[in-house]
Amino acid sequence: SQTIHQWPATLVQPVGSPLSLECTVEGTSNPNLYWYRQAAGRGLQLLFYSVGIGQISSEVPQNLSASRPQDRQFILSSKKLLLSDSGFYLCAWGQGLEQYFGPGTRLTVT
Amino acid sequence: GESVGLHLPTLSVQEGDNSIINCAYSNSASDYFIWYKQESGKGPQFIIDIRSNMDKRQGQRVTVLLNKTVKHLSLQIAATQPGDSAVYFCAEPDTGANSKLTFGKGITLSVRP
Repeated sequence: SQTIHQWPATLVQPVGSPLSLECTVEGTSNPNLYWYRQAAGRGLQLLFYSVGIGQISSEVPQNLSASRPQDRQFILSSKKLLLSDSGFYLCAWGQGLEQYFGPGTRLTVT
Repeated sequence: GESVGLHLPTLSVQEGDNSIINCAYSNSASDYFIWYKQESGKGPQFIIDIRSNMDKRQGQRVTVLLNKTVKHLSLQIAATQPGDSAVYFCAEPDTGANSKLTFGKGITLSVRP
């Protein structure tokens, strides 16, 4: 069966520091991969999605970037975090119309 | 653009009662819908899906109903339990790309003991 991992689970970072969140998927090949952000008590905002290695689509202008160095690895990065980057970051994988989410990373920028 | 929305932000039900969570969608061409459940501090969990060639689909204690005439989707939970307390999202394929989903704003289900 397929599983999706995210780490770290929680992260507290100062403003201006770099960020790297990692997501890996097991049990499938060539999945679509997604990064979402969820502010407290809010809905899901799609940040990036990828349909293949090295193929990244950005949905909103922001302080973040994404990379897909391997088929089942998706990384979310920032060179300098802003306070507004705080939130719950979710990675998801999908094939076709369905998407399945990871456990999320709670990021607090102080 | 097209959007998927939810009628009510919160729903409070008594344990043991049935719950009905509603969702309105605006893209009449949508042919697939998903319901997700998100417990506090966790990622959304796929509950059930339905294609537009169906009016009803049943799972374990959950039923999804699709009314294409009024573009309305509902999730019914039978004999609601405390573990059902969560935020529920409906989702449909994005109009621009099948590889993306458009999510509703989410509704919080609170189960009273």
